[in-house]
Amino acid sequence: DTTVKQNPRYKLARVGKPVNLICSQTMNHDTMYWYQKKPNQAPKLLLFYYDKILNREADTFEKFQSSRPNNSFCSLYIGSAGLEYSAMYLCASSRGQGAETLYFGSGTRLTVL
Amino acid sequence: GDSVTQTEGQVALSEEDFLTIHCNYSASGYPALFWYVQYPGEGPQFLFRASRDKEKGSSRGFEATYDKGTTSFHLRKASVQESDSAVYYCALAPTGFASALTFGSGTKVIPCLP
Repeated sequence: DTTVKQNPRYKLARVGKPVNLICSQTMNHDTMYWYQKKPNQAPKLLLFYYDKILNREADTFEKFQSSRPNNSFCSLYIGSAGLEYSAMYLCASSRGQGAETLYFGSGTRLTVL
Repeated sequence: GDSVTQTEGQVALSEEDFLTIHCNYSASGYPALFWYVQYPGEGPQFLFRASRDKEKGSSRGFEATYDKGTTSFHLRKASVQESDSAVYYCALAPTGFASALTFGSGTKVIPCLP
């Protein structure tokens, strides 16, 4: 089973409110990633966990948090949503790091009003 | 930093036409290069990869050759079908252990009846 599951499929949030997105995988992969995708733009890496070690991109360091309570689950947390957070959020996992094949979930479409 | 530039927007062509999506990269060393495909309502899925100069990757009738001289990894298919309607992403993985894929902006392929 090469499935990465994301919940919910669609999420509506109010400006200034927190948002929590969930991702799970059952492949016992070491690494889990979160990407942000906006229309006509490349998927942008936000952060990734290698085992229990969190790596966050410098330009999104203060905007997104994450936790990985066990190997299978990873969350993406936004403390105070702004309109600019409206996007598709893609979770992915891989067996290792670097030049490994990524397996993606179907994404969560977040709309902030 | 590392970057990927690919054919922008969308490509409309007749079924059975030859498809080319251009991909150029900027990175140091020998990054691994990938093509991913995303069908409507799904996440991107791995198509194939290449890791060294002149290596050819291929899958489902698609192919691309790693060219370090021109820093390119163009996607080609000889005869596009309706089922190839999707968004195609070129991506690179830089050298180094603690790294993740950098993607291009995606190219939507729209096959039309001839």
